[in-house]
Amino acid sequence: AQSVTQLGSHVSVSEGALVLLRCNYSSSVPPYLFWYVQYPNQGLQLLLKYTSAATLVKGINGFEAEFKKSETSFHLTKPSAHMSDAAEYFCAVRRGGAQKLVFGQGTRLTINP
Amino acid sequence: DGGITQSPKYLFRKEGQNVTLSCEQNLNHDAMYWYRQDPGQGLRLIYYSQIVNDFQKGDIAEGYSVSREKKESFPLTVTSAQKNPTAFYLCASSIEGASNYGYTFGSGTRLTVV
Repeated sequence: AQSVTQLGSHVSVSEGALVLLRCNYSSSVPPYLFWYVQYPNQGLQLLLKYTSAATLVKGINGFEAEFKKSETSFHLTKPSAHMSDAAEYFCAVRRGGAQKLVFGQGTRLTINP
Repeated sequence: DGGITQSPKYLFRKEGQNVTLSCEQNLNHDAMYWYRQDPGQGLRLIYYSQIVNDFQKGDIAEGYSVSREKKESFPLTVTSAQKNPTAFYLCASSIEGASNYGYTFGSGTRLTVV
């Protein structure tokens, strides 16, 4: 079975500081990995995805994530936080075939001025 | 532009009433999903459908029903049997069998029991 663990349900950083949101997965086969962002009262929007083409994946809004097989991790980073980054972030994993996406519990990111 | 449309944005239900949430997509996606979101509980799968006229229960199907008569539409009915329906409901769609694709989400419906 595959699963996703997001470390920290709530992360708070200062504006301009590094953003690091952690995601670890378990999968018996190489997975496809995704990060989504959700702003209040809205649906989820795809930030970026890993599909085995490159281990460092760049997404929208200046975010990027690195796939580390040895650590089974896919952490999301942004060098400098902006107030508009305040949202909830979800990591998700999907195996090959007709498997459904499995979502982590989400991490709420707060940006302090 | 292609996408998923959920309506209404806000919905109020009286005790004992059934209500239906609409989800329509024009992405030509085969698979569609319904999730429930409560504060601090992430996304929980209610029902999903991989093909027209077929659907499967998710993790929390009790008190809900769905239909998939058309590829574009996947309405969710919250029945009176659902004792705590107040939540944010999200519909999503995906290309069936394309594991690298991910899901496209609608903007959600917030249901409140009054």
